[in-house]
Order: sequence, then structure tokens, then C-alpha cells
Amino acid sequence: QSVLTQPPSASGTPGQRVTISCSGSSSNIGSNTVNWYQHLPGTAPKLLIHRNNQRPSGVPDRFSGSKSGTSASLAISGLQSEDEADYYCATWDDSLNGFCVFGSGTTVTVL
Amino acid sequence: QVQLQESGPGLVKPSETLSLTCTVSGVSISSYFWTWIRQPPGKGLEWVGYVSDTGITNYNPSVKSRVTMSVDTSMNQFSLRLRSVTAADTAVYYCARDADGGSDTFDMWGQGTMVTVSS
Repeated sequence: QSVLTQPPSASGTPGQRVTISCSGSSSNIGSNTVNWYQHLPGTAPKLLIHRNNQRPSGVPDRFSGSKSGTSASLAISGLQSEDEADYYCATWDDSLNGFCVFGSGTTVTVL
Repeated sequence: QVQLQESGPGLVKPSETLSLTCTVSGVSISSYFWTWIRQPPGKGLEWVGYVSDTGITNYNPSVKSRVTMSVDTSMNQFSLRLRSVTAADTAVYYCARDADGGSDTFDMWGQGTMVTVSS
């Protein structure tokens, strides 16, 4: 199972705000920045948030990220139908020689 | 326009070696780290490891004893070899660019290639 824990699912109606949590430990989220990826089935994952709260060029500002201690969150404001996708948090884990870990993934459904 | 394209057999027999290549276009493979990430059917993403343009590697502990990654700068390609595969290695394999050099920031991805391990 994944080192980082996310809720399996989240949902909301168009226009609502949805928040996804990502829980880790001192060796990963507690020591490193967090990225978030959006993955639509059958397509390549897309970098959505990097360095906890930075949006790459082209990502709408209704996506926002935050981190506190050993947890991180992704918020989607003004939910839209095209936001229906799987979302993954990711960070570096400093144990052993260090390696990248992904969250378990959260499926967002727009009702 | 940067593009990454995975290639390799879609079917591998148990105990054999899975070999994939990622061809990069639109950017030189030099000065970046390059990553393999996989997604088993119905499961989440798993980082497999990275290789730098100079051949520095780092692998997921879960596959470290079976994996080798390499880079061919003349062909602008990098490769994955996973030995002694089992059904648990069945997955969509993605190649991606590591934007921060040995990090978890993957800003360019291939479309992915499905590899099934079965006799």
C-alpha cells in the first residue's frame, strides 16, 4: 500500500469547493515539498501543483495546494465537470537512499 | 514541443525481462533526469526510478534488485530493464521528465504503454 494516504473518493456539484487530503510522515511530507498530479483515465498524468502551492503555467487558479506538518491538501474551487479525474499527491521520502512516493489517489466525481 | 514516447513489447513472460525505451523529442536529454513510473490495473501510480543524463540512477526499493535504467544521449533515449518479472509487474509504464533533478516533479510525460506479464 501507499506511503501517503488519501481518501479514495471526493465529490461535489459544479461550482462547489472540494478538498483532498494527503497524510504522510516525518520522513516524507514532514521533510519535503509536495506535488499534486491530475490523471484522467487513458491520458498522461499532469503536474497540477508543485512545491506545495505553486501552479505551473496553464493550470487554473481554482486549483490550490497547501502543506502543514506531515499533511498536505489540494483544493479545487468552483468545481467544473472537466475536473473529474484521479488526483495524486507525491513527495520525496528520505528513508533508505531516498525515493519518490505517491499517494493512494483520490477519484473526484462531479455530481 | 517536447514529446516522450514509450516503446517495447506489450507482453512479457513470467521470469523474463521487461525492456522499454523512451524516445525524447523537442528537447535534449542532456541536463535532465528521466523517470519511469508505472500504474498497475486498478491501482495508483508507483515511481520506479530515475536515470540522469550522466547515468546516475536511483531506484524504488521495491524493485531495486531487479531494475536497471540507462541513457543513450546520442539517440536521445533512455531505457528500463526489469528482470524476473511476475504478474505483479503488469502495469501501464510511463516515462517522464524529472524537472528538478532527482525529485518528484514530473513536468513532461509519455502517453504510457501497457505491459502484461503472462505466459
